[in-house]
Amino acid sequence: QKEVEQNSGPLSVPEGAIASLNCTYSDRGSQSFFWYRQYSGKSPELIMFIYSNGDKEDGRFTAQLNKASQYVSLLIRDSQPSDSATYLCAVPNQGGKLIFGQGTELSVKP
Amino acid sequence: EAGVAQSPRYKIIEKRQSVAFWCNPISGHATLYWYQQILGQGPKLLIQFQNNGVVDDSQLPKDRFSAERLKGVDSTLKIQPAKLEDSAVYLCASSPTGNNSPLHFGNGTRLTVT
Repeated sequence: QKEVEQNSGPLSVPEGAIASLNCTYSDRGSQSFFWYRQYSGKSPELIMFIYSNGDKEDGRFTAQLNKASQYVSLLIRDSQPSDSATYLCAVPNQGGKLIFGQGTELSVKP
Repeated sequence: EAGVAQSPRYKIIEKRQSVAFWCNPISGHATLYWYQQILGQGPKLLIQFQNNGVVDDSQLPKDRFSAERLKGVDSTLKIQPAKLEDSAVYLCASSPTGNNSPLHFGNGTRLTVT
């Protein structure tokens, strides 16, 4: 099993819809979870992080963490064409090394 | 606050040549990382420095890759000799502490090996 797994997509949603991005991880000891957004040809930028079970909201973004099931998700409400990018899930492993998933490509259609 | 600086932005070399990349982290950030991102994949950690010491270089192909962080600030990553499969974006990132801290990435260096 890969340490961090994401569906590569592409995930296509219409403008204004909710985009749901999922990530599973293998290390039960992981304590923090990060979502990065990467536009084509650009470097990753941090958009959300979550440490505790449950939901964390920041504007149109909501991160959801379920440690028992070892998954973390990112919801984007009222999706905009400018949200079209690759979303990377990142989880530190036992050694503290930040492991990235392969990323999910999101396309928001006007 | 100035971000992570990297140079060059692009580099094209022939296989078996050598190349070097430079990174200047955010001021005060003790931890510095070099990641390799192949097209269509997530970033893969090559090496992690804490100040001027190596914390993790388990994924660094040491027969051809080397990295150093002189005086715990700037860092260079070198490839010698380059192979076709080294074509990728090389990302430098820094964080204030290390474990469980968000990373701040530079713009990356896109390397093409022909």
